[in-house]
Amino acid sequence: EPEVTQTPSHQVTQMGQEVILRCVPISNHLYFYWYRQILGQKVEFLVSFYNNEISEKSEIFDDQFSVERPDGSNFTLKIRSTKLEDSAMYFCASRPMGGNTEAFFGQGTRLTVV
Amino acid sequence: AQSVTQPDIHITVSEGASLELRCNYSYGATPYLFWYVQSPGQGLQLLLKYFSGDTLVQGIKGFEAEFKRSQSSFNLRKPSVHWSDAAEYFCAVGENNNDMRFGAGTRLTVKP
Repeated sequence: EPEVTQTPSHQVTQMGQEVILRCVPISNHLYFYWYRQILGQKVEFLVSFYNNEISEKSEIFDDQFSVERPDGSNFTLKIRSTKLEDSAMYFCASRPMGGNTEAFFGQGTRLTVV
Repeated sequence: AQSVTQPDIHITVSEGASLELRCNYSYGATPYLFWYVQSPGQGLQLLLKYFSGDTLVQGIKGFEAEFKRSQSSFNLRKPSVHWSDAAEYFCAVGENNNDMRFGAGTRLTVKP
């Protein structure tokens, strides 16, 4: 069964460093998303991406964040200068074309900023 | 803007007992509604979804949910809970099935 793959599963980085979280969505999917979940809190929407551009972003997704689909398979989330409060689980999701379709989530990348 | 409320932060039920997890949403039109389950350290697994049509939807693992427009609710139910159902449950609402907004989650504990 096809699945969304995220790497790495756990990333530890120093405050102020740049990190790139990687996702390989399901191959025929066209909509891509990033969500984050701070430990013990709810899942929060960050950004959606369609047709090679951001279609919507939340207030969390400030100038420190960017997304990219550098080739036909990867979808990345970059945090330019990490802060302690960026520590969270980051989930990638993808969805095929069509209204009545659900998003499929990856297993997540746990980002720890020290 | 759409929003989701899960009034119960933590619920404890005995194994074999019935379960109902509450979800209320705020949205102007007919929303897309979802229930996801998250086991500790794991990702989000879709239990069931509602887009349109029959308001009672069946999902995996014996779960079902009922969309009630008059109450703006989409409560999740299971007639007999198993110990393996212990997890965090998230209700989510989507506009045009685009970005979803999640509730705060309900943690389910199952007593032997």
